[in-house]
Amino acid sequence: DAKTTQPPSMDCAEGRAANLPCNHSTISGNEYVYWYRQIHSQGPQYIIHGLKNNETNEMASLIITEDRKSSTLILPHATLRDTAVYYCIVSHQAGTALIFGKGTTLSVSS
Amino acid sequence: GAGVSQSPSNKVTEKGKDVELRCDPISGHTALYWYRQSLGQGLEFLIYFQGNSAPDKSGLPSDRFSAERTGGSVSTLTIQRTQQEDSAVYLCASSPWGYGYTFGSGTRLTVV
Repeated sequence: DAKTTQPPSMDCAEGRAANLPCNHSTISGNEYVYWYRQIHSQGPQYIIHGLKNNETNEMASLIITEDRKSSTLILPHATLRDTAVYYCIVSHQAGTALIFGKGTTLSVSS
Repeated sequence: GAGVSQSPSNKVTEKGKDVELRCDPISGHTALYWYRQSLGQGLEFLIYFQGNSAPDKSGLPSDRFSAERTGGSVSTLTIQRTQQEDSAVYLCASSPWGYGYTFGSGTRLTVV
């Protein structure tokens, strides 16, 4: 059973912010939200994760709603190299493996 | 090493033969994971190790698949009597306990 729902695809213009949504309405109190991406023909790459506070690192920002039922990954200035499949995953921090869904294919164009 | 290393990067084998795929995780990473990805498909979880033990092997598709990890480091995924449906990219990842995964570049297995 899928724990997250993501749109299958999104487009973004180069230089603009890419906002990728994720619904996780059945998330439990001790589950984290993880984001990974997979560029064509490469292994997935960790982006960011959070529990309830918003998080930011050098790659992206993660905004989690107060009720924790949804989140948004923000790439502030998308480049062509950000074209990839983005996976939103809900999981306990330790003790279980991450289960990847179908993700969102983000296409960045000039 | 600097990253997760997988070998071989490519493997072509005849149907019915056994294959071994190797994963060298990042030094000190206690957790190790195996996934596979068929052409155009998503990632399918196979098995994960914490140290040398495998608390979750629920994703192994059949008893032809097995994996072990020794010394809390190197892991080997073995597929016996390979079938054409086993053709996929096999990905290994490691992590410190409870943190983000680092994936290797994968082994592309083709069964002919």
